[in-house]
Parts: sequence; C-alpha cells; structure tokens
Amino acid sequence: NAGVTQTPKFRVLKTGQSMTLLCAQDMNHEYMYWYRQDPGMGLRLIHYSVGEGTTAKGEVPDGYNVSRLKKQNFLLGLESAAPSQTSVYFCASSYGIESTEAFFGQGTRLTVV
Amino acid sequence: GESVGLHLPTLSVQEGDNSIINCAYSNSASDYFIWYKQESGKGPQFIIDIRSNMDKRQGQRVTVLLNKTVKHLSLQIAATQPGDSAVYFCAENKGDTGRRALTFGSGTRLQVQP
Repeated sequence: NAGVTQTPKFRVLKTGQSMTLLCAQDMNHEYMYWYRQDPGMGLRLIHYSVGEGTTAKGEVPDGYNVSRLKKQNFLLGLESAAPSQTSVYFCASSYGIESTEAFFGQGTRLTVV
Repeated sequence: GESVGLHLPTLSVQEGDNSIINCAYSNSASDYFIWYKQESGKGPQFIIDIRSNMDKRQGQRVTVLLNKTVKHLSLQIAATQPGDSAVYFCAENKGDTGRRALTFGSGTRLQVQP
C-alpha cells in the first residue's frame, strides 16, 4: 500500500515564484491536512479538508491556497513564494471526524531563496 | 492562544531503561490526546492515544498517562531500544465543532545510548 504520497520531495524556489505541492492518498480517507514543520517546532496546520470539495483554514494559512477536487488528492499552492515559507511540508490524511490516527507522507523540503 | 507544549527538548536514556516523555496542555476541551513518533527524514507516526475521560492507557511497551488536574500528559516507554530514538510529539484533537485537526507540540528528542 502506498498510503500518503507527496510530490515533489525536494524543491528550491526563487522568491516570487509559484508552485503546487501534490498529496495523494489511497486509503479512501475523508480528512486531509497540510502541515509545515520548522526547526525546533512542532507541526503547524496550514489548511485542511473534511471531504471532497471542501477546504478550511488552519493555524497558519496566509500565503497558501489549497484545493480538494478529488477525494484522494489535496493540493497546496504557493502563489508567490517568500523565504519565510522555507520549511518541510507534510501532508496527512485520516479516516474521519473521530479518528486520532493520521497517516503522514514523507514530507517535501522546500527552500525559498 | 491555547497550545500544546513539552517540558524537555532532549532526553537521553540508556538502552534497556524506561523512558518518560512529558507534555503540558492547556486546551481542556480536547477529546483526545495523542502521541506521535517521528524518525529522521520521515513523517510522524501514530503511537497511542487516550480519551480525555481516561487516566491511563497501555499499548505494546508504551503507556500514556493523563492528569487532567494539572493538565499533564506523559508517554512511558518500557525497556527502551535503539529503534525508539526519534522525536516524540504530543498532540490534541481539539473539540471545536468542525475543527478536528490535530494540534502538535514542539517535540522531545529521545536519544537511546547503547
């Protein structure tokens, strides 16, 4: 089973460039999440989705947009990258509203120069 | 704002000893408290959870204790092994309506010495 797959694994962007991170899950999970992880800090929630066609803001949504057009995919977009967005990005999915077990992808290391 | 935090950034233990990782929380409305393990270069992995109306829950070599009086959560690992070396995060499943995403603390690094 693939679980949660993130694409790409590494990326370097110049300030002002745009990019999209793709997350795909094959577990038929309703919930999907995007987190960022910075050194010495825990994971901070950027955006999440409780089902196909829905998205909601998390703790640190500014500068990011998301879309969930298909149940298995959750896209994270950076319209105009800034150095402050240098981070490791994790996508996760979980079964439903009562689920405490989220399944994480391997992460995307993004550097904005 | 409300947050989940940790007492110690790094914990070093000898192989075979028991490990105790602590966490303080402030959101009494959370339904669940959860522990995740993150190995280097990987995403976090679920270890164990505890419902807010419980005091203790045991898994395989792990025990989670919840003290609601002082808002404290701990993870006990028995007979710590080198494979337990990782960063451990406590998390909470906030009880806000429509907001069930996990909120994570900053993590404790567990180093197991041979």
